[in-house]
Amino acid sequence: SQTIHQWPATLVQPVGSPLSLECTVEGTSNPNLYWYRQAAGRGLQLLFYSVGIGQISSEVPQNLSASRPQDRQFILSSKKLLLSDSGFYLCAWSVGTGGFNEKLFFGSGTQLSVL
Amino acid sequence: KQEVTQIPAALSVPEGENLVLNCSFTDSAIYNLQWFRQDPGKGLTSLLLIQSSQREQTSGRLNASLDKSSGRSTLYIAASQPGDSATYLCAVSPFNTDKLIFGTGTRLQVFP
Repeated sequence: SQTIHQWPATLVQPVGSPLSLECTVEGTSNPNLYWYRQAAGRGLQLLFYSVGIGQISSEVPQNLSASRPQDRQFILSSKKLLLSDSGFYLCAWSVGTGGFNEKLFFGSGTQLSVL
Repeated sequence: KQEVTQIPAALSVPEGENLVLNCSFTDSAIYNLQWFRQDPGKGLTSLLLIQSSQREQTSGRLNASLDKSSGRSTLYIAASQPGDSATYLCAVSPFNTDKLIFGTGTRLQVFP
C-alpha cells in the first residue's frame, strides 16, 4: 500500500533562518507531488507541484522553493524565513495523468512557527 | 475566478443526529469535487470524490451529492458519532487550471 511521510511534525524557527521540509512517498511510482500551506482561518493554498523529477511548478511568488531530487521525494525550502511563512504545511500525492483531477492523498503535516 | 464556500463554518450536534454540510462553488466548469476530513493538527484524508458526470457517491455513513449546474455539493453524515468530530473540507478541480481549489472548511463537533 502507498504511504506518505512528512517531517518534522512541528518546527519553531527564528526569522531569517533557513527551512527544509521533506516529504517522501512509498508504494507508488511517478507520483504527482504537491506542497500546500494552510494558514490559520484560511483555506489550503497550493504552493508547488511536480509531475516528475526536477519538474517544479510554482503557484505563488514567495521566498519558498521546492525541489524533487528523486521520484518519490519532495523538499520545501527557504533561505530566509519570514514571519508570514508560519502555517501548517502539507505534502500530498496523486497518480494518473489527470494530475489535479485525481484523488489526493495527504501527509500528516508540519506546523511551522516563525518567531 | 473559482471560489469555494462552506457553510456553516462550525457545527455542534449531539450524537446520533443526521447532518448535512454544504459546499458551494462559483464556476460549474469542474472535473470533480472532493470531500476531505482533517483532524486537529493532522493532514487531510480524502473521503469521497465525485466526478463531474456523477450525481453522488457513498461510503459507509457518508453520502456526497453534486449539483454542478447550481454549483452545490452536500456531504450527508448519517447517525453521527463523536469520532466524526473534525474539520470537513471540500475542493473542486476546475477546467483549464492545475489548481485544486479548497473551501475553508466546516468544523464539526459531535458530543456524546
